[in-house]
Amino acid sequence: QEQLEESGPGLVRTSETLSLTCTVSGGSISSYYWSWIRQAPGKGLEWIGYMYHRGSTSYNPSLKGRVTIFLGTSMNQFSLKLSSVTAADTAVYYCALGSSGNNWFDPWGQGTLVTVSS
Amino acid sequence: DIQMTQSPSSLSASVGDRVTITCRASESISTYLNWYQQKLGKAPNLLIHTASSLQSGVPSRFSGSGSGTDFTLTITSLQPEDFATYYCQQSYSLPRTFGGGTEVEIK
Repeated sequence: QEQLEESGPGLVRTSETLSLTCTVSGGSISSYYWSWIRQAPGKGLEWIGYMYHRGSTSYNPSLKGRVTIFLGTSMNQFSLKLSSVTAADTAVYYCALGSSGNNWFDPWGQGTLVTVSS
Repeated sequence: DIQMTQSPSSLSASVGDRVTITCRASESISTYLNWYQQKLGKAPNLLIHTASSLQSGVPSRFSGSGSGTDFTLTITSLQPEDFATYYCQQSYSLPRTFGGGTEVEIK
């Protein structure tokens, strides 16, 4: 089965851009929805968005146009950018593969904590 | 957005107990409902998809039911490794949304 791993800075300054990459190993991701989900400390899960069909995207409107999901530099990577971050964006960020059709998310990466601070 | 409401938000149970967690959608989502288990400090793990389909490798003591707006996750005989937080998630419409979680604690 596919394994996912997030990477990127653990600290981002207020108003700057958060950038994370998800590296997938152990299988093909071409038929999946490449997803990002986050969890603020002590809170529930929030879907950020996904890319599918190698170019189409869907984002959570709650993020007000600050998010971009795109293919990484290699075929088994996809990335997240979240601009103009504030302390409210401090969270554990997970990448996950969404099934086509009924989008259940499986598997997930282990998650990476990103803290936004001035 | 479709709001997902779980109840209870937490419960205490003993090993061997039957546990039921409810998830209610703010509008009908057919059977586009998935359940996850999250242990402390770990990523969520898919248990049930499409309301009642057990994910491969998940013990048969977990089961899901429901359609429309009301769904249930049942653990028939709670095991020590089942103490965790459980989330439902709808995949009927965008944006995808999760319930607030149900924490299952040891009594």
